[in-house]
Amino acid sequence: SAVISQKPSRDICQRGTSLTIQCQVDSQVTMMFWYRQQPGQSLTLIATANQGSEATYESGFVIDKFPISRPNLTFSTLTVSNLSPEDSSIYLCSVMRDTQYFGPGTRLTVL
Amino acid sequence: GESVGLHLPTLSVQEGDNSIINCAYSNSASDYFIWYKQESGKGPQFIIDIRSNMDKRQGQRVTVLLNKTVKHLSLQIAATQPGDSAVYFCAENIFRKNYGQNFVFGPGTRLSVLP
Repeated sequence: SAVISQKPSRDICQRGTSLTIQCQVDSQVTMMFWYRQQPGQSLTLIATANQGSEATYESGFVIDKFPISRPNLTFSTLTVSNLSPEDSSIYLCSVMRDTQYFGPGTRLTVL
Repeated sequence: GESVGLHLPTLSVQEGDNSIINCAYSNSASDYFIWYKQESGKGPQFIIDIRSNMDKRQGQRVTVLLNKTVKHLSLQIAATQPGDSAVYFCAENIFRKNYGQNFVFGPGTRLSVLP
């Protein structure tokens, strides 16, 4: 299994600002993922973050909007930049070990 | 593109009955599937998985069935309890060149357990 924590658990932000979400894993993992879950929707992969290389973004997601850091094998951050109400979602960190595990999510509301 | 879908977006069952949640997948090359349970305000929780070399796998009160011929996956929950009320997602493992391995998620089924 994997124990994953995210900070913050929720936040309310103003339009035009940015929010950085932290993801901490209990032990080293190679593959970490960031997902977005819009209200009432399924999970959509934003990017794959592997340590020592640039994040790989999915179609529709760009680095300028969603910069990701992966400084070591237990930690990653996702920043959601230039926030708009459409960015209101749950953002989930995930890791691949024997299978894929998820963190508790960060609920972002943009006013 | 690749997609994973569900036949029933909502499902209501009586407490004590068995629940069956269905999922269709489109990538015949997928070799690994997971069912997740997501309760309100929480992240998805791993329930059970199955590899493509199997057609059935059982856990505690849950069974996953895989039919590769029709690309169909189902989750069966025996003796459904109020604590089973949640949204259930199937996820299909895919491999893409330049992207590596990741999972595609179905739209989800909300299971409501009636007293």
